Amino acid sequence: EVQLVESGGGLVQPGGSLRLSCAASGFTFSSFWMIWVRQAPGRGLEWVANIKRDGSLKYYVDSVKGRFTISRDNAKNSLYLQMDSLRVEDTALYYCTRDQSYSDSSGYYDAFDIWGQGTMVTVSS
Amino acid sequence: AIQMTQSPSSLSASVGDRVTITCRASQGIRNELGWYQQKPGKAPKLLIYAASSLQSGVPSRFSGSGSGTDFTLTISSLQPEDFATYYCLQDYNYPRTFGQGTKVEIK
Repeated sequence: EVQLVESGGGLVQPGGSLRLSCAASGFTFSSFWMIWVRQAPGRGLEWVANIKRDGSLKYYVDSVKGRFTISRDNAKNSLYLQMDSLRVEDTALYYCTRDQSYSDSSGYYDAFDIWGQGTMVTVSS
Repeated sequence: AIQMTQSPSSLSASVGDRVTITCRASQGIRNELGWYQQKPGKAPKLLIYAASSLQSGVPSRFSGSGSGTDFTLTISSLQPEDFATYYCLQDYNYPRTFGQGTKVEIK
């Protein structure tokens, strides 16, 4: 079964750190870009970061640049999000998702086809 | 960052209704847009990619259209399982950005 399972969430004080993990199974992990998406309580979805198949390219939303680091270990079929200098506004359910990435003659298209169940991060004093 | 604006923010509809949700980009994004459905307490589900391509396994009552700045998600005949929140997502450039969501409720 194709599956993503996040872990590592919890309660942390402002300024603290957390490391989220996402364990992939049922597919060739190294063949896919991977993404973190978050959702604050009662709010919409926010794209956070993504990472290329071999880890050589990474992109971030401006609000987390310099504080969060996305990484992967293809040997362990795992995706990570190191979150430092956490702020109250980082409180959210964090999802990892796989990019199926379709293409045609015009270009490439994101397609986040597999999602985990999410792991909750609460930043509060 | 490209701003994605969905309308309406919410709507009430009955089973069998035709429902249309729009998404407008703050700049042209060609056809680099996807649509996602999210039910309460669940992860999002991919419906449409490349503005109009139906993801495998998604019912044909869902369709997408548009290019440039204006896009539409249409549900041709609303079913009970379609009551959910719908999000558009641009993948033209970084950072990727979602619309604020459209909640489809039962009338």
